[in-house]
Amino acid sequence: DSGVTQTPKHLITATGQRVTLRCSPRSGDLSVYWYQQSLDQGLQFLIQYYNGEERAKGNILERFSAQQFPDLHSELNLSSLELGDSALYFCASSHPGQGARPFFGQGTRLTVV
Amino acid sequence: DQQVKQNSPSLSVQEGRISILNCDYTNSMFDYFLWYKKYPAEGPTFLISISSIKDKNEDGRFTVFLNKSAKHLSLHIVPSQPGDSAVYFCAARAGGGADGLTFGKGTHLIIQP
Repeated sequence: DSGVTQTPKHLITATGQRVTLRCSPRSGDLSVYWYQQSLDQGLQFLIQYYNGEERAKGNILERFSAQQFPDLHSELNLSSLELGDSALYFCASSHPGQGARPFFGQGTRLTVV
Repeated sequence: DQQVKQNSPSLSVQEGRISILNCDYTNSMFDYFLWYKKYPAEGPTFLISISSIKDKNEDGRFTVFLNKSAKHLSLHIVPSQPGDSAVYFCAARAGGGADGLTFGKGTHLIIQP
């Protein structure tokens, strides 16, 4: 158990809909990262938050947004969903002193039908 | 453009022998490299890392070698055990630890009895 909690584990929704994925980081970790893993792809970095502020942005679509709340949990919002958004979405967290070693949650498997 | 490449989608090794997983990168700004292991239905688990100022790092059965001039790193597992069967991801980071990791597509290691 990495200590990073993601909910829900599975999500099935229809095209055009909006969903919210939730992540609770390890205790004491200030950084939260979101990654997307599509079929036969590596993990694609989407976005990073540090102590409530956006820190770095990767290949995140404009239809996607994220935020980190004062209690440090984070949410990834995916809107106007398309079939191609079906993927595993991972959240990771790290401590300031261990910024290069994120710990990953078990992921949320999103299926868009 | 893939900045981190794992050219072998799969690798089969006999139990007790050495497993060698390879990774190439193109971005000369990468200064920290990590290997993650992933079982089905779980998130990636950190395995071992290496800074660009070193050329070797060892942790038990796992050794990572870095050849900066060739922009190549490899993970050696000796001896290979059945529990090592998993997907292994190579990841790299550029500058300071603030940015997300760039991952390869992974190599599926199968340890045969």
